[in-house]
Amino acid sequence: AQKVTQAQTEISVVEKEDVTLDCVYETRDTTYYLFWYKQPPSGELVFLIRRNSFDEQNEISGRYSWNFQKSTSSFNFTITASQVVDSAVYFCALSEENAGGTSYGKLTFGQGTILTVHP
Amino acid sequence: DTAVSQTPKYLVTQMGNDKSIKCEQNLGHDTMYWYKQDSKKFLKIMFSYNNKELIINETVPNRFSPKSPDKAHLNLHINSLELGDSAVYFCASSPHTDTGTDYGYTFGSGTRLTVV
Repeated sequence: AQKVTQAQTEISVVEKEDVTLDCVYETRDTTYYLFWYKQPPSGELVFLIRRNSFDEQNEISGRYSWNFQKSTSSFNFTITASQVVDSAVYFCALSEENAGGTSYGKLTFGQGTILTVHP
Repeated sequence: DTAVSQTPKYLVTQMGNDKSIKCEQNLGHDTMYWYKQDSKKFLKIMFSYNNKELIINETVPNRFSPKSPDKAHLNLHINSLELGDSAVYFCASSPHTDTGTDYGYTFGSGTRLTVV
């Protein structure tokens, strides 16, 4: 069974600090997808990144970066020079290939990390 | 154009009532889902349909019944609503195959259900 653990329930930082959100996953599959989503106070789920299990390249997008390490089953997310607008709940999620042949199966979410950035 | 649209956005109803939430996607995706987010923000899958066929049915009370009239629509009907059903319900869709550039899952904006 697949599982995602986000050990940090809440993180509080001051603006301009760097912050890393941890994500550890469990799966028996060799083909799977990892995601990060942001849920701002308005409530919608905002897609941040998708990574498939064969692509271990780290990624940087502006102030956001992701570190994927299969050896430790981790997919951590770092925000550099945090801003108040980064305050949100962040979810890491895992999807295995569906037995029916579709690429995307059940998406399992971590518990979420509440990030608060203070001015 | 909204890719995955859910209606209504807010739903307040009394215990014991029956209600429906509608979901439509215009992305041409084959698979649609319902997720429930509880008061602690935990997101859990409820159902998944692939081309109108039920493929995932998690441990959900049978008061919840999904219906997919075609692959672009997945509605959620809830009978005899209980206080514990209060939550945010998200609809989502995904393509059949990884195109390399897709987002995987596209979520609707959610329906906040409050049972009083």
